[in-house]
Amino acid sequence: GENVEQHPSTLSVQEGDSAVIKCTYSDSASNYFPWYKQELGKRPQLIIDIRSNVGEKKDQRIAVTLNKTAKHFSLHITETQPEDSAVYFCAASRYNFNKFYFGSGTKLNVKP
Amino acid sequence: EAQVTQNPRYLITVTGKKLTVTCSQNMNHEYMSWYRQDPGLGLRQIYYSMNVEVTDKGDVPEGYKVSRKEKRNFPLILESPSPNQTSLYFCASSSPIRDRGPYEQYFGPGTRLTVT
Repeated sequence: GENVEQHPSTLSVQEGDSAVIKCTYSDSASNYFPWYKQELGKRPQLIIDIRSNVGEKKDQRIAVTLNKTAKHFSLHITETQPEDSAVYFCAASRYNFNKFYFGSGTKLNVKP
Repeated sequence: EAQVTQNPRYLITVTGKKLTVTCSQNMNHEYMSWYRQDPGLGLRQIYYSMNVEVTDKGDVPEGYKVSRKEKRNFPLILESPSPNQTSLYFCASSSPIRDRGPYEQYFGPGTRLTVT
């Protein structure tokens, strides 16, 4: 099956700085890559996703890049704010397969 | 309000005592799934269902059962719980778009299960 690895496990940045979280996957057939944010004690919520026919996607301060050849994808958060502090999970899946494989999570701490 | 609900939210039980965690969604979603979340391991998929009467194993199905008799409900059954099933469980639902594959999953609030 698929194996998704996520780094770093913890990340501490100063407010206003950028944060980058990286994930690698093993199954070249994976073609859907969502990112979820989970605040303390809350449920995961989708913040952005990317499909394999796209190399980059942006939504305001959040962007995701995908390198299919190297089988890695990254989450970029610019101008971080304290409310960005949470655990972020990447995941990989395949169309019409519907199994999801999550990374182990990155705890982001944005210091005011 | 569109939502996924789970019950109970917290449960402490003993080894071997059968239990069911319910999951219900009101968004008419075809796809539903169960995950467990453990520290350092992220979310791991237990079972998923593409539609009524269609279920399949995820990555960690051992010790769990599911059923999908109605579109809105997807209960998770632990026939004989063991301490290694102590975890935080999430149900999720989504509506896959034809030819575009999976779409945003909406998660329930979670059920924290402790098996002693």
